[in-house]
Amino acid sequence: AQKITQTQPGMFVQEKEAVTLDCTYDTSDPSYGLFWYKQPSSGEMIFLIYQGSYDQQNATEGRYSLNFQKARKSANLVISASQLGDSAMYFCAMRGMMDSSYKLIFGSGTRLLVRP
Amino acid sequence: DSGVTQTPKHLITATGQRVTLRCSPRSGDLSVYWYQQSLDQGLQFLIQYYNGEERAKGNILERFSAQQFPDLHSELNLSSLELGDSALYFCASSPDMAGGNSPLHFGNGTRLTVT
Repeated sequence: AQKITQTQPGMFVQEKEAVTLDCTYDTSDPSYGLFWYKQPSSGEMIFLIYQGSYDQQNATEGRYSLNFQKARKSANLVISASQLGDSAMYFCAMRGMMDSSYKLIFGSGTRLLVRP
Repeated sequence: DSGVTQTPKHLITATGQRVTLRCSPRSGDLSVYWYQQSLDQGLQFLIQYYNGEERAKGNILERFSAQQFPDLHSELNLSSLELGDSALYFCASSPDMAGGNSPLHFGNGTRLTVT
């Protein structure tokens, strides 16, 4: 079975500083994908970044980067130069390629609060 | 805008009632997924449809059912509602082309309140 664990229920960061949100996963699938989503207080789910299990380089999208450590089964999200608008819930998710439904399994989330 | 449309945005109903949530996927997406998010919790996968057929089931109660129509829109039916069914219900879609790096694109959700 696949499992995503986010051990930080809540975090604070000072505006303009970088912050790392932790995510560990467990799967027996040899090929998988890892995703991060942002959920602001308004409720929508916004896709941020993707990392494939066979990707050689860590994924980056603007101020978001994914620190992928395959041996440790971790896929931490790094947000650089935090902005007030980054205050939100952040969810790590996984897709196993042997799962023909291609559904995403989500972690419990981390609530990030950016302080001015 | 993700391109996934969910209606209604809010729904308030009483215990024992039945409601229908509607979802229109992004243009061209064949797969529709339904998720439930209870208060301050992660998203729980309920059910998936692909091109009109059920493909996968998650933690969906027997009181809940769904379908996907020929025009690819989907409906989630919740019956004999209980207080614990109060949650944010998301629909998501994907092109479902070998999975890979295709993210799920989520609608804005339907917030269901059962009183």
